[in-house]
Amino acid sequence: QKEVEQDPGPLSVPEGAIVSLNCTYSNSAFQYFMWYRQYSRKGPELLMYTYSSGNKEDGRFTAQVDKSSKYISLFIRDSQPSDSATYLCAMSGNSGGSNYKLTFGKGTLLTVNP
Amino acid sequence: DVKVTQSSRYLVKRTGEKVFLECVQDMDHENMFWYRQDPGLGLRLIYFSYDVKMKEKGDIPEGYSVSREKKERFSLILESASTNQTSMYLCATVPLETEAFFGQGTRLTVV
Repeated sequence: QKEVEQDPGPLSVPEGAIVSLNCTYSNSAFQYFMWYRQYSRKGPELLMYTYSSGNKEDGRFTAQVDKSSKYISLFIRDSQPSDSATYLCAMSGNSGGSNYKLTFGKGTLLTVNP
Repeated sequence: DVKVTQSSRYLVKRTGEKVFLECVQDMDHENMFWYRQDPGLGLRLIYFSYDVKMKEKGDIPEGYSVSREKKERFSLILESASTNQTSMYLCATVPLETEAFFGQGTRLTVV
């Protein structure tokens, strides 16, 4: 079983839709949970992070972490064509290694159609 | 803003060549990482470094080496390039557990 599983999609939605992106993980030592956005031919950029379980909201974006289920989600409300990108989940804090070593999901390609 | 600069956006090399990919950061961060990104496989860690002259193997170090002679510069070396090393290479600094700053990537093609 891979440490982090993420459905690669692709996911195509109409403008204004609510988008739900998810990852599951197996390493219970992960403590930091991040979402990165990567536009075509660019490096990933941090969108949001959450420490341990709980929710975090930033504008149209909400990140949720359920450590008991080893499941994290990113919700995008009122999706826009400019949200079209690959979204990668990432985690860190695994025991026996460094907190700075991030483990990434494979990424989900999202297209928001006008 | 943190700036991570990779020396080339696109690179074409021949099989068997020694290839150097350079990465420079401007924020005095200690932690630097090299990843490769392939369709269907995601980001995979090749090597990382916590300080000058210090390096650790990631998940897929075979066929690669690294050099960190100065804090701001972290180089990835392909000792003898092969076609299966054709990929997007991404350098990152990780100053905090919660954020990695990536360069723009180098798309390497080995022919």
